[in-house]
Amino acid sequence: NAGVTQTPKFRVLKTGQSMTLLCAQDMNHEYMYWYRQDPGMGLRLIHYSVGEGTTAKGEVPDGYNVSRLKKQNFLLGLESAAPSQTSVYFCASKTGTGGHEQFFGPGTRLTVL
Amino acid sequence: GNSVTQMEGPVTLSEEAFLTINCTYTATGYPSLFWYVQYPGEGLQLLLKATKADDKGSNKGFEATYRKETTSFHLEKGSVQVSDSAVYFCALSRNSGNTPLVFGKGTRLSVIA
Repeated sequence: NAGVTQTPKFRVLKTGQSMTLLCAQDMNHEYMYWYRQDPGMGLRLIHYSVGEGTTAKGEVPDGYNVSRLKKQNFLLGLESAAPSQTSVYFCASKTGTGGHEQFFGPGTRLTVL
Repeated sequence: GNSVTQMEGPVTLSEEAFLTINCTYTATGYPSLFWYVQYPGEGLQLLLKATKADDKGSNKGFEATYRKETTSFHLEKGSVQVSDSAVYFCALSRNSGNTPLVFGKGTRLSVIA
């Protein structure tokens, strides 16, 4: 049982390049979330999904897109990376039946030059 | 809206000292409250939680009591160890379905031998 995994662990991009971050969970969780963590800012929610085929905007969605084509996967895309998107990105998932605990992945450190 | 305010760090303590990290919240209704911990280079993991007023969450020697009258959920530990060095996040979730977590900005704790 791997829990929540994220790919890749590290990435360096040039301004304007695109990339996709993959989050996978094997707990059959309904809800999945993407956060970014910046110094002094805590975690801020980018987008989230309440089930396969559905997504919603969080607190800081601009510059990002997401897709949830399969229940176990939640993809975060950057179409045209900017230096302001340099951050550590965390994915999390949560069961849809009563529990409130979110389970987090290990994070992806992204640097945009 | 919902928000969490926690004391700013960093906090530096000697081993075996008493720890308090303050957390207060603003929320409508009766949220669930959480403390997450992030060890260096890792994702967040749940430390403890409380789902209703006067509940006490506890784990690994840490405790926090849900105080509705003061809208607080302060984290305490009687005797910290070097291995407790980490960033601690207070968070809340409204007790309804898919509501995402709202995090405080985090408090970095360093324990020195």
